[in-house]
Amino acid sequence: EPEVTQTPSHQVTQMGQEVILRCVPISNHLYFYWYRQILGQKVEFLVSFYNNEISEKSEIFDDQFSVERPDGSNFTLKIRSTKLEDSAMYFCASRRGGVEGYTFGSGTRLTVV
Amino acid sequence: GNSVTQMEGPVTLSEEAFLTINCTYTATGYPSLFWYVQYPGEGLQLLLKATKADDKGSNKGFEATYRKETTSFHLEKGSVQVSDSAVYFCALIPGTSGTYKYIFGTGTRLKVLA
Repeated sequence: EPEVTQTPSHQVTQMGQEVILRCVPISNHLYFYWYRQILGQKVEFLVSFYNNEISEKSEIFDDQFSVERPDGSNFTLKIRSTKLEDSAMYFCASRRGGVEGYTFGSGTRLTVV
Repeated sequence: GNSVTQMEGPVTLSEEAFLTINCTYTATGYPSLFWYVQYPGEGLQLLLKATKADDKGSNKGFEATYRKETTSFHLEKGSVQVSDSAVYFCALIPGTSGTYKYIFGTGTRLKVLA
């Protein structure tokens, strides 16, 4: 069964450093998402991406965050200057159209120290 | 606004017990409703869904019915197994969402004892 692949599974970074989280969506999918889950809290929508541009972003997704699909297969989330409160599990998701096939990756646990 | 409220966990049951995890929602329009499951160390997996009122979603012995009058989508299973131990998330996609973004509840941890 096709999978959404996220790397790394766990990343530790120093406060103030830039971090890039990587995702490989399912190959024929067209819509891409990032969600995050702070430990013990709900999963929250960050951003959706379609046709090489952001289609919607939440208030969490401020100027410190950016997304990119650099080569037609990877989908990345960059945090420019990490803060302690960015520590969370980050999930990538993709879908082709409609809800069918909306698939999540296993997540990257980001720890900012 | 749109939101999902789930019962607090953890829920601890003995094997073969009956499971109910309550979920209620607030949404504009007519949302689609979902239950996701997260096993330890894994990602979010779709368990079942319902897209309109009175629809029943079912999978792997789990069921949930979309109740518009009570704005609820409670998850049930008649006989749980140890392998059902996981975190369960209720979620919705608002009917007015053009981007299909999910709104999740806080999750309910289920622990099934042998």
